[in-house]
Amino acid sequence: NAGVTQTPKFRVLKTGQSMTLLCAQDMNHEYMYWYRQDPGMGLRLIHYSVGEGTTAKGEVPDGYNVSRLKKQNFLLGLESAAPSQTSVYFCASSYKKYEQYFGPGTRLTVT
Amino acid sequence: AQSVTQPDIHITVSEGASLELRCNYSYGATPYLFWYVQSPGQGLQLLLKYFSGDTLVQGIKGFEAEFKRSQSSFNLRKPSVHWSDAAEYFCAVAANTDKLIFGTGTRLQVFP
Repeated sequence: NAGVTQTPKFRVLKTGQSMTLLCAQDMNHEYMYWYRQDPGMGLRLIHYSVGEGTTAKGEVPDGYNVSRLKKQNFLLGLESAAPSQTSVYFCASSYKKYEQYFGPGTRLTVT
Repeated sequence: AQSVTQPDIHITVSEGASLELRCNYSYGATPYLFWYVQSPGQGLQLLLKYFSGDTLVQGIKGFEAEFKRSQSSFNLRKPSVHWSDAAEYFCAVAANTDKLIFGTGTRLQVFP
């Protein structure tokens, strides 16, 4: 039982490049979330999903897209990376609402 | 709108001393409340949660928290801190939505 895994762990992008972050969970959870964490700002919700095939915007969705084609996977895409998207990205999942389990994070640097 | 305030950005304690981390929330009814801990380079781990019932809740690693409706607070406590407790602690609140709102965190430093 791996819990929540994130791929990759680290990534460096140049401005304008695109990439996809993968989140996978093996707990059969309905809800999945993408957050970004920046110093002094806590965690801010980017997008989330309440079930396979559904997505919704969070607090800071601009510049990101997501897809939930399979229940166990939640993908976060950056179509044209900007330095302001340099951050640590966390994925989380939950079976019941609210009680979230977090992945180890992806550290992204955009130069 | 719901909000969470953690007034202490950084706290330093000596090993063996008691600890209290403050959390205040803004919401009209009783929210669901959580404390998470994040060790350096790691994801967040759930310490404890409050949904209803007994206002003093016990969590993992010897932590407890008390919900006080009159003060809109959910402070985290530990009677004796260990060096391994050094980490960042986040309070979070949720009410009638699919989302958690996190505070900005309190960094705990423990001196031997």
